Amino acid sequence: DAGVTQSPTHLIKTRGQQVTLRCSPKSGHDTVSWYQQALGQGPQFIFQYYEEEERQRGNFPDRFSGHQFPNYSSELNVNALLLGDSALYLCASSGLMGTGELFFGEGSRLTVL
Amino acid sequence: GQQLNQSPQSMFIQEGEDVSMNCTSSSIFNTWLWYKQDPGEGPVLLIALYKAGELTSNGRLTAQFGITRKDSFLNISASIPSDVGIYFCAGQNSGAGSYQLTFGKGTKLSVIP
Repeated sequence: DAGVTQSPTHLIKTRGQQVTLRCSPKSGHDTVSWYQQALGQGPQFIFQYYEEEERQRGNFPDRFSGHQFPNYSSELNVNALLLGDSALYLCASSGLMGTGELFFGEGSRLTVL
Repeated sequence: GQQLNQSPQSMFIQEGEDVSMNCTSSSIFNTWLWYKQDPGEGPVLLIALYKAGELTSNGRLTAQFGITRKDSFLNISASIPSDVGIYFCAGQNSGAGSYQLTFGKGTKLSVIP
């Protein structure tokens, strides 16, 4: 049973560039959430997708956008990258609407130079 | 963004000792969760608590949902080397229609053999 898979695992970008991160949820899960984890910090909620719609959004600017596909996989896009966007981006899936019992992927480590 | 207050920030203990850590919030949550994160991995759910005053165990781990709904505690008994990692508390207010988890900054646990 495949868990949550994310790609790429590591990437380096320069300021002003755009990045797309991808996530496949655990089999049987239909809800995907994205979190940003800066070094030495806990994860911060970016947004959650359910039925291909953004259901809730955290305190992140519009430069952060996402998408969920009919097969429940998801993408996180970040435009006009800033140095402060350097972080581990975690995707989490769940199969029960509203639950906090999340299954996390290993994350995508983004470095912005 | 908001983060919960977790203490201690780090701790070094001898193998076989018991461990206690706690988490406090200025806001009420109706769900408290504890996750563990190993280096290079995403967080893994340890225990979920859904009722004020609830005490729940998972093997050597025991967690409690504070009566005020503003705090939670995690205890680990008879620590072993594989307990090493970062422990995060997280709160959720699903009853208020919120799906996001609010995380603490984590407690880094080191176990000395």
